Amino acid sequence: DAKTTQPPSMDCAEGRAANLPCNHSTISGNEYVYWYRQIHSQGPQYIIHGLKNNETNEMASLIITEDRKSSTLILPHATLRDTAVYYCIVRVVGTGTASKLTFGTGTRLQVTL
Amino acid sequence: NAGVMQNPRHLVRRRGQEARLRCSPMKGHSHVYWYRQLPEEGLKFMVYLQKENIIDESGMPKERFSAEFPKEGPSILRIQQVVRGDSAAYFCASSPRDRENSPLHFGNGTRLTVT
Repeated sequence: DAKTTQPPSMDCAEGRAANLPCNHSTISGNEYVYWYRQIHSQGPQYIIHGLKNNETNEMASLIITEDRKSSTLILPHATLRDTAVYYCIVRVVGTGTASKLTFGTGTRLQVTL
Repeated sequence: NAGVMQNPRHLVRRRGQEARLRCSPMKGHSHVYWYRQLPEEGLKFMVYLQKENIIDESGMPKERFSAEFPKEGPSILRIQQVVRGDSAAYFCASSPRDRENSPLHFGNGTRLTVT
């Protein structure tokens, strides 16, 4: 699986949009971009994933550049409960069976009042 | 639809004892993954199983650790003769059978403390 690079930490004011960047310059054509987060001591929580088109769900939006070498996770109105470590993961699919996720060190997002 | 259930939530074992961690996947999911998170560290993949088969055990320590996912019942991660270095949070995740692109859904983990 391709490696990802994320800033180790970010701050965001409550109510503002949180934009979390991720570089995955060696991504292959059959690799998806997944985002998870881990709130202190809980299990990782799935947020969103995409291949090449931008995606939106009730939690967040995922913007993937046209060359697919980077992406941005957007939390449109951050709250204190969004304080967590956010992981950007690329995952190969299409090999005939579901594949594992490889977690990096992520971005620690601190949402402040 | 209940999520991934792990039990116990907390487990205390003395050095040399055995630890058995259980994971019930989400309904309809037949792929199970185990991860370990040492204190202040990231999540490390251990093993990936489908019903009655180990698919990828590249992250499993060679000794003392084993995993199974029987045809009936939960997946079990077994640690024999535990040592203090086994103290960690162990997370289980599951995904559906026929959907390669499906996200993994995680449980809230079992926190193992070895005294």
